[in-house]
Amino acid sequence: KQEVTQIPAALSVPEGENLVLNCSFTDSAIYNLQWFRQDPGKGLTSLLLIQSSQREQTSGRLNASLDKSSGRSTLYIAASQPGDSATYLCAVAGSNYKLTFGKGTLLTVNP
Amino acid sequence: SAVISQKPSRDICQRGTSLTIQCQVDSQVTMMFWYRQQPGQSLTLIATANQGSEATYESGFVIDKFPISRPNLTFSTLTVSNMSPEDSSIYLCSVSTTVDGGGYTFGSGTRLTVV
Repeated sequence: KQEVTQIPAALSVPEGENLVLNCSFTDSAIYNLQWFRQDPGKGLTSLLLIQSSQREQTSGRLNASLDKSSGRSTLYIAASQPGDSATYLCAVAGSNYKLTFGKGTLLTVNP
Repeated sequence: SAVISQKPSRDICQRGTSLTIQCQVDSQVTMMFWYRQQPGQSLTLIATANQGSEATYESGFVIDKFPISRPNLTFSTLTVSNMSPEDSSIYLCSVSTTVDGGGYTFGSGTRLTVV
């Protein structure tokens, strides 16, 4: 059974800082990995999708990497802003296309 | 990517009643899923909604409690039946274009409070 772990559970940083969120998964036989953002009480917004054959994806200030063999992914956020404050969720899709989620990292960026 | 309209966005319900949540997708999709997010927790898959056949439920979820309909490739409903306060959660639908190399898109969620 796939298990996804996200570290840290919570992170508070000053505005402008670069930061890294970590995600690990137990079964390397994944189809893809996706990072989402969730604002309080809201749905999920997709940030980056990495296919199993890819090593990284970039969108603006965000960069996500994938090391399938070691079961790890990182989400790098450059020059953080208060608007980046949210919960960041990592999810992996197995061969059955079902997503398994981590518990998320609650990010607070202080002005 | 697909755009999902989910209704209602929130509701407060009396225990013992039922609530039906709707998801409408702007394009035909093969795979549609329903998730629950309990307070302070991550998302848990309830079931896969299959077009033209019964939904496939995950361990711990049963059809009598969470009946699902999928009459076509753009629409699905989830009913939360005989509700108790423990059913208070955010319910989300999701569609996947994974088979086409895409990812997952989620609806905006339904915030359910049972009193």
